[in-house]
Order: sequence, then C-alpha cells, then structure tokens
Amino acid sequence: DTAVSQTPKYLVTQMGNDKSIKCEQNLGHDTMYWYKQDSKKFLKIMFSYNNKELIINETVPNRFSPKSPDKAHLNLHINSLELGDSAVYFCASSQGGSNQPQHFGDGTRLSIL
Amino acid sequence: GDSVTQMEGPVTLSEEAFLTINCTYTATGYPSLFWYVQYPGEGLQLLLKATKADDKGSNKGFEATYRKETTSFHLEKGSVQVSDSAVYFCALLLSGSARQLTFGSGTQLTVLP
Repeated sequence: DTAVSQTPKYLVTQMGNDKSIKCEQNLGHDTMYWYKQDSKKFLKIMFSYNNKELIINETVPNRFSPKSPDKAHLNLHINSLELGDSAVYFCASSQGGSNQPQHFGDGTRLSIL
Repeated sequence: GDSVTQMEGPVTLSEEAFLTINCTYTATGYPSLFWYVQYPGEGLQLLLKATKADDKGSNKGFEATYRKETTSFHLEKGSVQVSDSAVYFCALLLSGSARQLTFGSGTQLTVLP
C-alpha cells in the first residue's frame, strides 16, 4: 500500500485556471506538508499543517491554499494559475518529534500552458 | 536563517568508485540531519539520518556522520553502482512546531558502467 499518495501525477492546464492536487497518507501521521520543486530540483516548503496549526511559508502567494478535510488528507488548491507555477509539487507527512523523517509522495508535475 | 549548502553537481563516477557528496549547514539550534534520495520520476526517499553530534547514519552502503565542530554531514559510499544514479538532497530539521525541512540544492549523481 502506498504510504503517501498524490493525484494526479501529471496536470496540464492553461493560465488563469483553478486546480487542486489531492494528497492522502495512510501512516497515521499527525502532520502533512506541501513542497515545491523547481526545474533546477530545488525544494522549498510551502505549508506544514497538523490539526492545530497551519504554518505558511511567507513567500507562497495567497493563490495557493491548503485544505484539510481530515487528518489523513491535505489538498492543495491553486487559483488563477500562472506560468511560474509550473513545477513538481510534493506532499509529505510525519509523526511525532522533530527528529522523525518525513515520508514523501511521488509528486505531481504541473505544467501551465 | 537556517540553510544547507551542498556540493554542486552534476557528479559523474564510474562503477565501484568512491563517492563523497559534501554538505554543510547553518542552524540556530541543534538540528537533526537527513539525506534523501530522488530516483528519476519518483518522490524523495529517506536514505539516512542522524539526530545528534557524532551520530553516524547508514543505509544501503551509504554513510554520513554528524560533525558539530565542522557543521557538516557529508555523504559517502565506498563503491557506487549504476543503480545509485539519482539526485541526493541533504536536509536539516529543527525542533519546534513547524517541523519544516530545509533542503540543500541537491546533487545529481550519475554512475557509468
């Protein structure tokens, strides 16, 4: 069974559209994350979220919003897509203390036309 | 702020060669340190970790030692294989509510037969 699963794997859409990426984890973890990986492979945290707290990276545009229907899901909604949003987006989850590793999904490759 | 500096790639080695990928960090506390690996088209997988000074993480023949005096966590492998070709990321995690990983820029490794 896949521990952290994201859908879709590929997303091609036009500028100005609104889209969502779904993420589910079956590890029973209490915290989930979204990362953005650019074309040079650089990874940057966008959000971290548990049932008590949402931490937003201040550089993330407010067109991006995480939505968590329950503890096992953290979806990423993006409004008014721009060319610069093209990237691979990774969901991750972790549990417990600060030395616990994060488990990553396989990524969603978003391409804006 | 907290940061991770990795050896720039790409790195190309012949099979059975010795591998070192340098990683140094800057942090305001005592971080946990991680190496993640990303195979082509896949998400990140935890390779190894170390949570305190002088700890050695090891997995699949890879090793890294947490050196507080030099703020380093260099990745080594004595004999690389073609299947080790991937992008390697060094990362740190500080305690606190955010639990957000800070990644290095990644190092592309290609191993030739």
